[in-house]
Amino acid sequence: GAVVSQHPSRVICKSGTSVKIECRSLDFQATTMFWYRQFPKQSLMLMATSNEGSKATYEQGVEKDKFLINHASLTLSTLTVTSAHPEDSSFYICSARATEAFFGQGTRLTVV
Amino acid sequence: QKEVEQDPGPLSVPEGAIVSLNCTYSNSAFQYFMWYRQYSRKGPELLMYTYSSGNKEDGRFTAQVDKSSKYISLFIRDSQPSDSATYLCAMSTSYDKVIFGPGTSLSVIP
Repeated sequence: GAVVSQHPSRVICKSGTSVKIECRSLDFQATTMFWYRQFPKQSLMLMATSNEGSKATYEQGVEKDKFLINHASLTLSTLTVTSAHPEDSSFYICSARATEAFFGQGTRLTVV
Repeated sequence: QKEVEQDPGPLSVPEGAIVSLNCTYSNSAFQYFMWYRQYSRKGPELLMYTYSSGNKEDGRFTAQVDKSSKYISLFIRDSQPSDSATYLCAMSTSYDKVIFGPGTSLSVIP
């Protein structure tokens, strides 16, 4: 299947700092990528849809100024968690679609 | 009513058993149906992908979609301890956002 690479896999940051997570589709071009958040023992919750060359579409309740998404090319989307707080600690996963959806390995963010 | 419903389990079976995992959904516009396996602290791994109704088989895995009943299933034959994971059903209307079920936790006991 197609490969989606996400980096970093794990990050610990101090409260108030910003963290950038990268998502790359390695063997196909993705005009649309998706960012999910997953809390322990819960399912994936869609945060936003990232469109190449245009603004992201955020789900209801997701702060667009806090979770900045940039989709600069057909193979790269980034999620920046700005002014991170401990409640932002979670597992963040990106996805890119060909026909099926493929997922990155996820990023475990811990804000201390 | 949630868009996608799935029994969270946990489901525990002996090694070699046939496992049946199911989801129901409410949106009749869903056309793409997927099953993912997720190990702890890892991203979801695509297992099966089906478009519209019907059956699809891949090795020990069989996916079934019944659009008339809004019901999908994943069968695992000859289950192995390495199959122990959380299984997520997912579906979408087109090349759009994917909606996930809450996942079923499966343990295969040696």
